[in-house]
Amino acid sequence: TQLLEQSPQFLSIQEGENLTVYCNSSSVFSSLQWYRQEPGEGPVLLVTVVTGGEVKKLKRLTFQFGDARKDSSLHITAAQPGDTGLYLCAGPPAGSYQLTFGKGTKLSVIP
Amino acid sequence: KAGVTQTPRYLIKTRGQQVTLSCSPISGHRSVSWYQQTPGQGLQFLFEYFSETQRNKGNFPGRFSGRQFSNSRSEMNVSTLELGDSALYLCASRRRENTEAFFGQGTRLTVV
Repeated sequence: TQLLEQSPQFLSIQEGENLTVYCNSSSVFSSLQWYRQEPGEGPVLLVTVVTGGEVKKLKRLTFQFGDARKDSSLHITAAQPGDTGLYLCAGPPAGSYQLTFGKGTKLSVIP
Repeated sequence: KAGVTQTPRYLIKTRGQQVTLSCSPISGHRSVSWYQQTPGQGLQFLFEYFSETQRNKGNFPGRFSGRQFSNSRSEMNVSTLELGDSALYLCASRRRENTEAFFGQGTRLTVV
């Protein structure tokens, strides 16, 4: 059973469109991190959210942590081809220091 | 500040051989974790070391082993390689427990 479920698994959109990807769990997390990974490379940390209800913005990317700290979302405004990649969410469940990862959302932005 | 360094980047080995991968964490980070990534399974946790002690181990056979040195550098060893061990092996470092993980570029292992 996957502790962190990400949806959708795959997403293909046109440049300029908006999109949201989700990271859900039935467990509470101390924090959640979002990473972007390009083929053949390691994941790169985008953001960490810690407080329930927290919203963080990184240029066109908006990250939200659910009030109950069980879910998170990533919204991209006006997607660009450079946003293409695998988006992973990860975090330590409350009471644990072990990082657990979702399987990721593979995003393709078509010019 | 230098990031996480993994060597080598690419490796081709024959079935039955063994391989050792190396990871140098970010300076000051004491935790090193290893992951195997394949297209079908995603990121699967292998093990984590903190201050030279293995803190946690994933569900992999005993052919997969690792260690951490006093300077926090870590090595991972896979013996008796199988075709299914072909994957991207990623190393991540953390300053301490419950802090963010930073990844290296990975080692692409191909077993033929």
